[in-house]
Amino acid sequence: DQQVKQNSPSLSVQEGRISILNCDYTNSMFDYFLWYKKYPAEGPTFLISISSIKDKNEDGRFTVFLNKSAKHLSLHIVPSQPGDSAVYFCAASPNLNTDKLIFGTGTRLQVFP
Amino acid sequence: DAEITQSPRHKITETGRQVTLACHQTWNHNNMFWYRQDLGHGLRLIHYSYGVQDTNKGEVSDGYSVSRSNTEDLPLTLESAASSQTSVYFCASSEYGQGYEQFFGPGTRLTVL
Repeated sequence: DQQVKQNSPSLSVQEGRISILNCDYTNSMFDYFLWYKKYPAEGPTFLISISSIKDKNEDGRFTVFLNKSAKHLSLHIVPSQPGDSAVYFCAASPNLNTDKLIFGTGTRLQVFP
Repeated sequence: DAEITQSPRHKITETGRQVTLACHQTWNHNNMFWYRQDLGHGLRLIHYSYGVQDTNKGEVSDGYSVSRSNTEDLPLTLESAASSQTSVYFCASSEYGQGYEQFFGPGTRLTVL
């Protein structure tokens, strides 16, 4: 059973527009969330994170929003750039007693000129 | 600069053979993880270690084993390779403690014929 879900396998956005990537989770005990970005033939790299005590975290063009009641988080990229084209994974940390992460299935973002 | 490396980057083997994938990190991290990436499944945890002599099973551990004899290395062994183990394998490491990002290696593409 997939505990972290990314229901959109792909997303296509025009350069300069906003990209919104979504992630849902099933376990209300999850309390820390991360987004990773992955280019072909490379390992994932950390992008941004958010703790469950917050509902928003910004880092430059990237903002993550957390809605705990809906068990939903989203990653906003504004403005989108062609170099943002990659696969994005959301991940959740189950609880304070573990350093494991549970990853979603990924969303492939394509930013076109 | 600290890094995490994996070898080989590509490997082709035959069903039934034993295969070992190497992972080496110079971050001096206590935590190390092995994942496999498959289409439609995202990143799934195979095994992980929180320190020397510590190993734990992840969600897809059957057919795999790891050992941790020092801080820097966590080799992944496929005891008897099966075609279902054809995948891309990623090693990662992190500081001990929840919320620390995991740093990923570049991956090993394994094909089992």
